[in-house]
Amino acid sequence: AQSVAQPEDQVNVAEGNPLTVKCTYSVSGNPYLFWYVQYPNRGLQFLLKYITGDNLVKGSYGFEAEFNKSQTSFHLKKPSALVSDSALYFCAVRDITGGNKLVFGAGTILRVKS
Amino acid sequence: GAVVSQHPSWVICKSGTSVKIECRSLDFQATTMFWYRQFPKQSLMLMATSNEGSKATYEQGVEKDKFLINHASLTLSTLTVTSAHPEDSSFYICSARDYNGRSSSYEQYFGPGTRLTVT
Repeated sequence: AQSVAQPEDQVNVAEGNPLTVKCTYSVSGNPYLFWYVQYPNRGLQFLLKYITGDNLVKGSYGFEAEFNKSQTSFHLKKPSALVSDSALYFCAVRDITGGNKLVFGAGTILRVKS
Repeated sequence: GAVVSQHPSWVICKSGTSVKIECRSLDFQATTMFWYRQFPKQSLMLMATSNEGSKATYEQGVEKDKFLINHASLTLSTLTVTSAHPEDSSFYICSARDYNGRSSSYEQYFGPGTRLTVT
């Protein structure tokens, strides 16, 4: 079965510092990986995706993610965190065995303090 | 582009009544829509996959007679919670995939969610 794991329930970082939100995956075949962000009482907003090509993927709002096949990881990163980045972040993988639906991780709360 | 709306954004209903939630793709056609349920501080739980013109595919453990899904057009899917109970109170989110291949990578575009409270 396809799955993703987000090992951290919460990540705290000071404004201006780099941030990393971790994600590891387990898939059969080539992974299609996604990051979404959710603000309180809102739906999910797409940040970025990895399908193929460069391992470093750049997305919305200055976020990027690095695909690492050997470590089966797809960590979300940003060089300089903003207080407004505080939200709930979800990693997801396409489930090719399940009608191409997305399988989501448990989510990681990011808190950026000024 | 790729905007998905939901209506209502929040609803309060009494136990035993039914509630309908609409999910619309505003600027694209969606052959497939998904309905999720999210509990506080938890991840999204996929309830069902809805394909235009056919019956929805429900995930294991989701009661199809309680959560009725209709996908009558390429821009509209509805979720009806029948005979609602307080334990049905939750945040319901829909998403859509683009018919014309805009999301050929299988990404989904999400609606803003509907907060349902059953009293």
